[in-house]
Amino acid sequence: DAGVTQSPTHLIKTRGQQVTLRCSPKSGHDTVSWYQQALGQGPQFIFQYYEEEERQRGNFPDRFSGHQFPNYSSELNVNALLLGDSALYLCASSSFVSLSGGISRADTQYFGPGTRLTVL
Amino acid sequence: EDQVTQSPEALRLQEGESSSLNCSYTVSGLRGLFWYRQDPGKGPEFLFTLYSAGEEKEKERLKATLTKKESFLHITAPKPEDSATYLCAVQALTSGTYKYIFGTGTRLKVLA
Repeated sequence: DAGVTQSPTHLIKTRGQQVTLRCSPKSGHDTVSWYQQALGQGPQFIFQYYEEEERQRGNFPDRFSGHQFPNYSSELNVNALLLGDSALYLCASSSFVSLSGGISRADTQYFGPGTRLTVL
Repeated sequence: EDQVTQSPEALRLQEGESSSLNCSYTVSGLRGLFWYRQDPGKGPEFLFTLYSAGEEKEKERLKATLTKKESFLHITAPKPEDSATYLCAVQALTSGTYKYIFGTGTRLKVLA
């Protein structure tokens, strides 16, 4: 059973460029979340996709955008790169579990190996 | 404001020296607390999920416990291969949606 996969492993870009990162979720999962992790810090939530729509968003500018495909895989796009965007980008997959009353919660998130982005 | 705080920031233990890591949280509508292990440059590896106060989970030398305000990760007789950063995260339900908040982690070094 394949776990969460991400590509590429490493990426070097220059300021102002654009980058696309890719993620395939764990088999059986339909929800993908993206995180940014700076060195020595905990992961910071960027956004989450479910049913091909952005469901939640953290405190990140519109330069960060994403997409989810019908096969549940996802892309993270970052435009106009800044030096401060250098970080480990993590993808996490999970599956929604509906509770009574219509409030849904996500199950445990499983993380991929990450993409190390360096902006020069 | 929802917050997750982990302590200590760093911990050095001798092989076999048991200890505990702390994760304290102030969130509304807690739906779950998660522990992950992260090796340098890699993605977090899932360890435990705890959903209610009083719950305990065990795996090999690790045991996680949960109260209404904090969680502990107990490490019994650690080995050098237990060296890693241990991350705590909470899932909080607010206004019908949830969010996932991570602490900054505890860097554990186990010396042979």
